Amino acid sequence: QKEVEQNSGPLSVPEGAIASLNCTYSDRGSQSFFWYRQYSGKSPELIMSIYSNGDKEDGRFTAQLNKASQYVSLLIRDSQPSDSATYLCAVNMPGGYTNAGKSTFGDGTTLTVKP
Amino acid sequence: EAGVTQFPSHSVIEKGQTVTLRCDPISGHDNLYWYRRVMGKEIKFLLHFVKESKQDESGMPNNRFLAERTGGTYSTLKVQPAELEDSGVYFCASSPRVGRGEQFFGPGTRLTVL
Repeated sequence: QKEVEQNSGPLSVPEGAIASLNCTYSDRGSQSFFWYRQYSGKSPELIMSIYSNGDKEDGRFTAQLNKASQYVSLLIRDSQPSDSATYLCAVNMPGGYTNAGKSTFGDGTTLTVKP
Repeated sequence: EAGVTQFPSHSVIEKGQTVTLRCDPISGHDNLYWYRRVMGKEIKFLLHFVKESKQDESGMPNNRFLAERTGGTYSTLKVQPAELEDSGVYFCASSPRVGRGEQFFGPGTRLTVL
């Protein structure tokens, strides 16, 4: 079993729709959760971070965390063609652990927003 | 504020040769990380520096890989001798703090071993 699993893509949504990206993780001690966006040939760019159960909203993006279910998701409202990219879920252990700096990534989900 | 920079952007070498990748973190970031993505796989952690010290090198694949961060500023990652399976994109990231802090990624170095 992979440490971080993301829903298999590719995911295609029409412009203006809601895109839903999902991620599960295996280590129950994980503390910090990140969503990165990566355009083809570019570096990962952090778009959301979440540390507590519940929802966190930032503009058109909402991250949702459920530690009991070991599940984190990203919703993109009013999807735009410019949102077309690969979305990476990353998980970290709490600060204070020797390996706290290590981000464990999922494979990524490729999103295409069609005009 | 300048972001994380990496050099070179691309490197093509033959099996058995040596390659050195360089990373300059964001100024003031004590934490520096190396990751790599090989074809078709997820981004994988290699190691983490806090200033000049190796905090966690659990992801280094074998002793052909040597990372240094002398003086706690830029870092180098040397692969010697390079093997075909070392091909991939090597990312460097930096952060001001560990754990809750996000990591800022550089553009990556695409390494091709022929």
